[in-house]
Amino acid sequence: ILNVEQSPQSLHVQEGDSTNFTCSFPSSNFYALHWYRWETAKSPEALFVMTLNGDEKKKGRISATLNTKEGYSYLYIKGSQPEDSATYLCAFIPNYGGSQGNLIFGKGTKLSVKP
Amino acid sequence: DAMVIQNPRYQVTQFGKPVTLSCSQTLNHNVMYWYQQKSSQAPKLLFHYYDKDFNNEADTPDNFQSRRPNTSFCFLDIRSPGLGDAAMYLCATRRTESNQPQHFGDGTRLSIL
Repeated sequence: ILNVEQSPQSLHVQEGDSTNFTCSFPSSNFYALHWYRWETAKSPEALFVMTLNGDEKKKGRISATLNTKEGYSYLYIKGSQPEDSATYLCAFIPNYGGSQGNLIFGKGTKLSVKP
Repeated sequence: DAMVIQNPRYQVTQFGKPVTLSCSQTLNHNVMYWYQQKSSQAPKLLFHYYDKDFNNEADTPDNFQSRRPNTSFCFLDIRSPGLGDAAMYLCATRRTESNQPQHFGDGTRLSIL
């Protein structure tokens, strides 16, 4: 059974704080890793698709890194704002003989940013 | 503008009464997915379509069926909902090229009385 773990489960920070959370996934048979942001009452929105070991991607104040050899990805938010409050989901895609499998999600990290 | 639309947003049904959730997309994506997410759990894939090819996950209950009459529409039918089927149901689409993100609808929250 392929397992994706995210930590922490929830996080409360003050506006302006920088924060980061972790996604752990199987280090073998890696195809790709996705990060999604899911705001309450909205649809999950893709943040990053990461495929190569050592990848670093950035979107505004949000960035992510990838280590496929040890099976983890970090998501960083610099200077958190209340509008960053959401659940951040990571999803691992296994490699099946060179073809991509389906997304296997973690439970998410719920971020609350207080003004 | 919403590109993956799920209806209804909230659905209440009675124990054992069949229910259908719908999903439509304007993206013309070949692949469509249905996920189930129970409270505080990870979204879990139920099945997906690659064009008309239906792919059922091994642990998806027989109670759950799906139809895709055309590229734009996909339905999730729950034949005899039990209390354990109360969840958020998410529809998503994806282009067939490698390493494309999935595009999600807002979800349907299903409650069972």
